[in-house]
Amino acid sequence: DAGVTQSPTHLIKTRGQQVTLRCSPKSGHDTVSWYQQALGQGPQFIFQYYEEEERQRGNFPDRFSGHQFPNYSSELNVNALLLGDSALYLCASSLWGQGVYQETQYFGPGTRLLVL
Amino acid sequence: AQKITQTQPGMFVQEKEAVTLDCTYDTSDPSYGLFWYKQPSSGEMIFLIYQGSYDQQNATEGRYSLNFQKARKSANLVISASQLGDSAMYFCAMREGGAGNTGKLIFGQGTTLQVKP
Repeated sequence: DAGVTQSPTHLIKTRGQQVTLRCSPKSGHDTVSWYQQALGQGPQFIFQYYEEEERQRGNFPDRFSGHQFPNYSSELNVNALLLGDSALYLCASSLWGQGVYQETQYFGPGTRLLVL
Repeated sequence: AQKITQTQPGMFVQEKEAVTLDCTYDTSDPSYGLFWYKQPSSGEMIFLIYQGSYDQQNATEGRYSLNFQKARKSANLVISASQLGDSAMYFCAMREGGAGNTGKLIFGQGTTLQVKP
């Protein structure tokens, strides 16, 4: 049973550049959520995708955008990178409609982004 | 506002002993779920255990149990018979279940656990 996969594992960019991170959900899952985790902090919710639509968004600027494809995989795009965007980006997948408080999110290994 | 508090930045435990990691939460939603995740140095968040707000029994999963005290809004993780491989960062998280909520998890700051041989 394939778990959540993310690519790339590491990435180095310079300020002002754009980056795209990719995520494939766990087999059987249809919902993808993205989180940003700064060093020494807990993850912060960026947004969630279901049925190719953004369903909920956290407190992140419009520079952060995403997409979900018909096969449920997802991309996170960040434009005009800032030094403060350096973080571990985690993707989590889940199955929609399992009961509002019963759904469990399973995480991938993350992408470590360093902005210089 | 929804909030998760983990007051222990770091904990030490002797191998084979039990350890309790504290978590308190704040929410006005009567329907919510509480989760614990383990994050080794590799970075991946590993799901450990879940407790629903309407569950009557404390959740257990192998060596992990959740001490759920609803009136006190606490959801402490108990790890029995600690192993060296339990050394990691542990996060408590909450998801509210009200209408329109789609699964956003709120995480605490985490507790670093080190198991001594």
